[in-house]
Amino acid sequence: QKEVEQNSGPLSVPEGAIASLNCTYSDRVSQSFFWYRQYSGKSPELIMSIYSNGDKEDGRFTAQLNKASQYVSLLIRDSQPSDSATYLCAVEGGGGSNYKLTFGKGTLLTVNP
Amino acid sequence: NAGVMQNPRHLVRRRGQEARLRCSPMKGHSHVYWYRQLPEEGLKFMVYLQKENIIDESGMPKERFSAEFPKEGPSILRIQQVVRGDSAAYFCASSLDRVSNIQYFGAGTRLSVL
Repeated sequence: QKEVEQNSGPLSVPEGAIASLNCTYSDRVSQSFFWYRQYSGKSPELIMSIYSNGDKEDGRFTAQLNKASQYVSLLIRDSQPSDSATYLCAVEGGGGSNYKLTFGKGTLLTVNP
Repeated sequence: NAGVMQNPRHLVRRRGQEARLRCSPMKGHSHVYWYRQLPEEGLKFMVYLQKENIIDESGMPKERFSAEFPKEGPSILRIQQVVRGDSAAYFCASSLDRVSNIQYFGAGTRLSVL
């Protein structure tokens, strides 16, 4: 059973701080990793994709991947109240089922003004 | 360029009725995925389709659920004889290819079974 684990939170940070979201996964052959943001009652919105070990930056967002540790994280710099949402970590299935995304249950982030 | 379009957004059915959920992928995308999100649970993969073909339906319940993606028209997720446990948000996603496997999600259909 392939699993993706996230801290459920809630994670609360003050406006302007760095929010750090973590995710571990069980399938060693997975090669593609994604972070989605989901506002309450809305659909998941893709924020970042990462495929190689190391850091990938896009604006205020940085994704970090460590395949040896089976760990992926998302840092949000200069957090804004509009960043308050549930953040979903998604891992592709690996091998012949690389199209299949396995999602964590999400981490609820609250950014306080 | 329109995104992934799903309809209806909300669907109410009584137990035993049929539910039909429709999904039109992003322009140029031929890969369609259906996911289900139950309250307090994560998104769960149900089925992966390409035009006229079901590639993987391993996440779909064996009974009452079916999916299709015809040559013309939207992808359809069909639930026969709905039960209260089918109440959930059903999301469709599409991707351009399987290399990057970047999946874009529609707004979802929220199914309520009375």
